[in-house]
Amino acid sequence: DAKTTQPPSMDCAEGRAANLPCNHSTISGNEYVYWYRQIHSQGPQYIIHGLKNNETNEMASLIITEDRKSSTLILPHATLRDTAVYYCIVRVSNTDKLIFGTGTRLQVFP
Amino acid sequence: GAVVSQHPSWVICKSGTSVKIECRSLDFQATTMFWYRQFPKQSLMLMATSNEGSKATYEQGVEKDKFLINHASLTLSTLTVTSAHPEDSSFYICSAVGDSNQPQHFGDGTRLSIL
Repeated sequence: DAKTTQPPSMDCAEGRAANLPCNHSTISGNEYVYWYRQIHSQGPQYIIHGLKNNETNEMASLIITEDRKSSTLILPHATLRDTAVYYCIVRVSNTDKLIFGTGTRLQVFP
Repeated sequence: GAVVSQHPSWVICKSGTSVKIECRSLDFQATTMFWYRQFPKQSLMLMATSNEGSKATYEQGVEKDKFLINHASLTLSTLTVTSAHPEDSSFYICSAVGDSNQPQHFGDGTRLSIL
């Protein structure tokens, strides 16, 4: 199973873009990268996922490097409600399983 | 869309009792449901994968006789913690997925406290 590496914590000023990096150097060609976030005492919330191309939705953008060994989640205008633990996960090949790592604790400050 | 409901939200019970947690996909049919456990300040740990109409697949180290999973329909899976003890106290979270390559959607979790 491809493992991911994320910084344990990051800070971001409200209104600024939050760029959360993730390394997944052992990813296989058909494995998707998923991003979820978890606000305290709630279930994880799906943000975005991608395979090769960059993706954008109403919540965030996902930038995947050409070699697919790393990616960046971008929250374009962070708000206080974006304070959460963000998980970058490589979905296990040929299954729907997600193996959560330790994630990045993002703190958005006023 | 893609709402997963989990019930109850929290439960407190005496040691030795069994506790059932329900996970429902409200607006889609879930071919697969997953059960996770999360201890304080730790990440989610996958316990088992549940497919409708078949036996659940448990992750290594998870006791199948302790954590009974039933996935009787495409919208409902249940987790029963049998003869619960204080060390089973945790945050239990389910998720559901419809078509393959679609994201898992999570319930809001059940906080279980065993006295």
